[in-house]
Amino acid sequence: SQTIHQWPATLVQPVGSPLSLECTVEGTSNPNLYWYRQAAGRGLQLLFYSVGIGQISSEVPQNLSASRPQDRQFILSSKKLLLSDSGFYLCAWKVPGDTGELFFGEGSRLTVL
Amino acid sequence: AQSVTQLGSHVSVSEGALVLLRCNYSSSVPPYLFWYVQYPNQGLQLLLKYTSAATLVKGINGFEAEFKKSETSFHLTKPSAHMSDAAEYFCAVAPGGGYQKVTFGTGTKLQVIP
Repeated sequence: SQTIHQWPATLVQPVGSPLSLECTVEGTSNPNLYWYRQAAGRGLQLLFYSVGIGQISSEVPQNLSASRPQDRQFILSSKKLLLSDSGFYLCAWKVPGDTGELFFGEGSRLTVL
Repeated sequence: AQSVTQLGSHVSVSEGALVLLRCNYSSSVPPYLFWYVQYPNQGLQLLLKYTSAATLVKGINGFEAEFKKSETSFHLTKPSAHMSDAAEYFCAVAPGGGYQKVTFGTGTKLQVIP
């Protein structure tokens, strides 16, 4: 069966510090991968998605970047965090070309102080 | 382009009462539509989906939704609310035919009053 892991689950970082959130999918190959951010009252905002290694699509200009160094690994990064980067970050995957659902990780809560 | 609008950020119902969560969509192509549920500090899980088959879709935990093209709606219902239904619910839309991007609504928090 397929599983998705995100870490760390909780992170408190000072303004200006770097960020690295990791997401790994197991039990499938060549998944579509996604990073969403959830802020109160704003629903889920799609940040990045990837259809293959090294292929990243950015949805919103911002202080974040994403990378996909391996088929089932998706990393969200920042060189210098802003207060506005605080939020709940969700990684998700789906089968390419499928009509089915997104499968979400448990999320990473980031607080920037 | 695609978007969804969820009417009501908070909905309260009594235990045993009808649950109705509203979702209207906009899509330039025939859409796929989804309802997801999120419990506190967790990821989202799929309740049900519409992918151009039957317009009345049944999902898990007794929920169902009806796709109404004329009204561009995909409202979520459950005949009788249970305390365990308290959660946040998200409507989402994707362009039909092997989609890549899914657009989510802003969510509706459901409170169930005993």
